[in-house]
Amino acid sequence: GENVEQHPSTLSVQEGDSAVIKCTYSDSASNYFPWYKQELGKGPQLIIDIRSNVGEKKDQRIAVTLNKTAKHFSLHITETQPEDSAVYFCAASKIGNQFYFGTGTSLTVIP
Amino acid sequence: DGGITQSPKYLFRKEGQNVTLSCEQNLNHDAMYWYRQDPGQGLRLIYYSQIVNDFQKGDIAEGYSVSREKKESFPLTVTSAQKNPTAFYLCASSISGTLNTGELFFGEGSRLTVL
Repeated sequence: GENVEQHPSTLSVQEGDSAVIKCTYSDSASNYFPWYKQELGKGPQLIIDIRSNVGEKKDQRIAVTLNKTAKHFSLHITETQPEDSAVYFCAASKIGNQFYFGTGTSLTVIP
Repeated sequence: DGGITQSPKYLFRKEGQNVTLSCEQNLNHDAMYWYRQDPGQGLRLIYYSQIVNDFQKGDIAEGYSVSREKKESFPLTVTSAQKNPTAFYLCASSISGTLNTGELFFGEGSRLTVL
């Protein structure tokens, strides 16, 4: 099956700085890459996703980039705010197959 | 409000006992899933169901059982055969019965502790 690795496992940034989380995947047939945010005691919630036919997608302060050749994708959060503090999960999948999740990144934004 | 409701939020169980976690959705979604979350690990798929009266094993199905008698409900039973059941359990749903065609909607989870 697919193997998704995520780094770093923990990340602390000052409020207003940028945060970057990186994931690699093993199956070149994977074509859908969502990112989920999990706040303490809650279930994960989709924040952005990208399909393999595009290289970058942006939604306000968050963006995702995809490098199919290198099989890695990254989440970028700019102008971080305290409410961005959470655990972030990347995932990879292909049509008709399950999602494979990374191990999560705990992001702390220091006011 | 539409969404996924999991109950109970916290559950304690003695070794050797079966326990059932409830998951109900009112989103009219075809597919439902159960994931297990352990500290420092990603979400791992236990079981999923793409249609009523049908379900498939995920990567870690041993020691678990499910049923899908109604579209809205997908209960998970953690049996005494599960060797390490203490974990956070998440139920999710997606619109289409075809996997990987869209967003997963998660419940708030159930934390099971085996004493």
